[in-house]
Amino acid sequence: SQQGEEDPQALSIQEGENATMNCSYKTSINNLQWYRQNSGRGLVHLILIRSNEREKHSGRLRVTLDTSKKSSSLLITASRAADTASYFCATDARGQGAQKLVFGQGTRLTINP
Amino acid sequence: NAGVTQTPKFQVLKTGQSMTLQCAQDMNHNSMYWYRQDPGMGLRLIYYSASEGTTDKGEVPNGYNVSRLNKREFSLRLESAAPSQTSVYFCASRKRGEVEQYFGPGTRLTVT
Repeated sequence: SQQGEEDPQALSIQEGENATMNCSYKTSINNLQWYRQNSGRGLVHLILIRSNEREKHSGRLRVTLDTSKKSSSLLITASRAADTASYFCATDARGQGAQKLVFGQGTRLTINP
Repeated sequence: NAGVTQTPKFQVLKTGQSMTLQCAQDMNHNSMYWYRQDPGMGLRLIYYSASEGTTDKGEVPNGYNVSRLNKREFSLRLESAAPSQTSVYFCASRKRGEVEQYFGPGTRLTVT
């Protein structure tokens, strides 16, 4: 069964606005990753946050992790049309190493010009 | 570097036919994975190979077989295709010691 649940399922905002996506998971994890998928393409890794980290930044991306609530959020600041894509969180459960990732259902983000 | 490549890009099968999806990576990664993605869903792991010579089942292995032909190549075989296997199939690879997975462009399979 899918471990990650994401919300919202779809998000539409104006260019320049910030976009926030949330991910919840069920079991203890080693790491949580966020991936982007452009329409009809494979997934591309965006950012990794480890279970002992609470916040991480990479360019316009900010990820937070709350292990007590088993949740994470991805913030994209100053959105651009090129950010239009689906975004997935992926977790690897503690004890299973990095061999098996479990993906959320994704948030479909649309940036309107 | 081509990264992760998959063939074919598209395929239409009739129920009961068989086929093999090919995947290759040129990054010298140890681990390789096969996922399926259904409409509006995230990816679900079918099979993975932690290293050359080993394969293990993922979340949804029924109806599939895999072969880790060598370090570069990991194939997925459907012996008797069913409409429920209509999906987009992604191959991925991972470098030992790292967490990030690198994905191929996908194979869109339709079973009628």
